[in-house]
Amino acid sequence: NAGVTQTPKFQVLKTGQSMTLQCAQDMNHEYMSWYRQDPGMGLRLIHYSVGAGITDQGEVPNGYNVSRSTTEDFPLRLLSAAPSQTSVYFCASRDNYGYTFGSGTRLTVV
Amino acid sequence: QKEVEQDPGPLSVPEGAIVSLNCTYSNSAFQYFMWYRQYSRKGPELLMYTYSSGNKEDGRFTAQVDKSSKYISLFIRDSQPSDSATYLCASGGGTGGGADGLTFGKGTHLIIQP
Repeated sequence: NAGVTQTPKFQVLKTGQSMTLQCAQDMNHEYMSWYRQDPGMGLRLIHYSVGAGITDQGEVPNGYNVSRSTTEDFPLRLLSAAPSQTSVYFCASRDNYGYTFGSGTRLTVV
Repeated sequence: QKEVEQDPGPLSVPEGAIVSLNCTYSNSAFQYFMWYRQYSRKGPELLMYTYSSGNKEDGRFTAQVDKSSKYISLFIRDSQPSDSATYLCASGGGTGGGADGLTFGKGTHLIIQP
């Protein structure tokens, strides 16, 4: 099915470890973004990209890096995981009619 | 003050009732407005997209935007147990540059009782 694919679905990290959350879309959308969702906090924008080679920070970018080498892929890197990064992460891509979200990555940092 | 405010609920109604979900927003530059439905442990799914004030209807769902009062509503007619989910309102646009991400409300948890 066309859409946004996120991997992995679940991940447990130890404090200080690094990892990359993968996101790929096959709808040829230029705009992609990463959100985290925490209880009582709603969805908060981490980083976004308006096209290949162009990225920018959202509301809560600290501790995360992104790159956009192709239209299809927008990986999110955690440089040194902290317990405060325990969350559900959603990747989304956008066209003129709205956002399509992936199914999420549930990350626990211990 | 968060830019999009939404009552978290839970809101519990009997099957067949009309449901009214509401949000307010503070940024007068917002130009487009969306409602998402999110089932437990799933990603948000776009339900309605509106641009500017007015009503938009799609089946049992009606989205209403009043930009003069900065008020967003979603009405669900003939509610079904399968409508039980968290409903997120979102607003965006008009901020200029590339920062055109959505601002989400925290979501309202809706329960339709059979």
